[in-house]
Amino acid sequence: AQRVTQPEKLLSVFKGAPVELKCNYSYSGSPELFWYVQYSRQRLQLLLRHISRESIKGFTADLNKGETSFHLKKPFAQEEDSAMYYCALSGAWGGATNKLIFGTGTLLAVQP
Amino acid sequence: DVKVTQSSRYLVKRTGEKVFLECVQDMDHENMFWYRQDPGLGLRLIYFSYDVKMKEKGDIPEGYSVSREKKERFSLILESASTNQTSMYLCASSKGKGGSVKTQYFGPGTRLLVL
Repeated sequence: AQRVTQPEKLLSVFKGAPVELKCNYSYSGSPELFWYVQYSRQRLQLLLRHISRESIKGFTADLNKGETSFHLKKPFAQEEDSAMYYCALSGAWGGATNKLIFGTGTLLAVQP
Repeated sequence: DVKVTQSSRYLVKRTGEKVFLECVQDMDHENMFWYRQDPGLGLRLIYFSYDVKMKEKGDIPEGYSVSREKKERFSLILESASTNQTSMYLCASSKGKGGSVKTQYFGPGTRLLVL
């Protein structure tokens, strides 16, 4: 069955420290993976997607098919990065319906 | 700019009431989705629709139904509200189908409390 696992409910780091938000997935085909972010009092929005291979707000994520992971990384955390981050997966069925499976989310708290 | 709006930010209802949550998008998107967001459980898909009058069950459809009579509007209905349906409800929309998965655009959410 398709599944997304985010093992950390809360990740607390100091400003300027590196950040890694973990995401593992279970899917036997070729997945599409995404990170969505929800800042305080804002709506959920797309942060980045693996097929774009882009860096957004200093964040990057590399799809590792061998380890079935899509960890989100940033070398130097900023206080404005504090938010809830969700990893999401779409399989071959996604192309027909654009359906996503979301993880349980990780709350990133960046301390001053 | 894609705009997804939800009819209410906060709702308080009594057990057994019929509850309607409305979602409207203004970007001519084919796909619309209803999720519930609970702490520790993340986002769980209730129902989705990829065309007018079309609907498919998500992962947790029990106790819910949906209606999509017009392309821009997707309604979530709680036939008989129960306390375990107290949650944040998020609506989302995305364009088209086929090819790579499209970005989902989310509404601000409706926080429902069932007493």
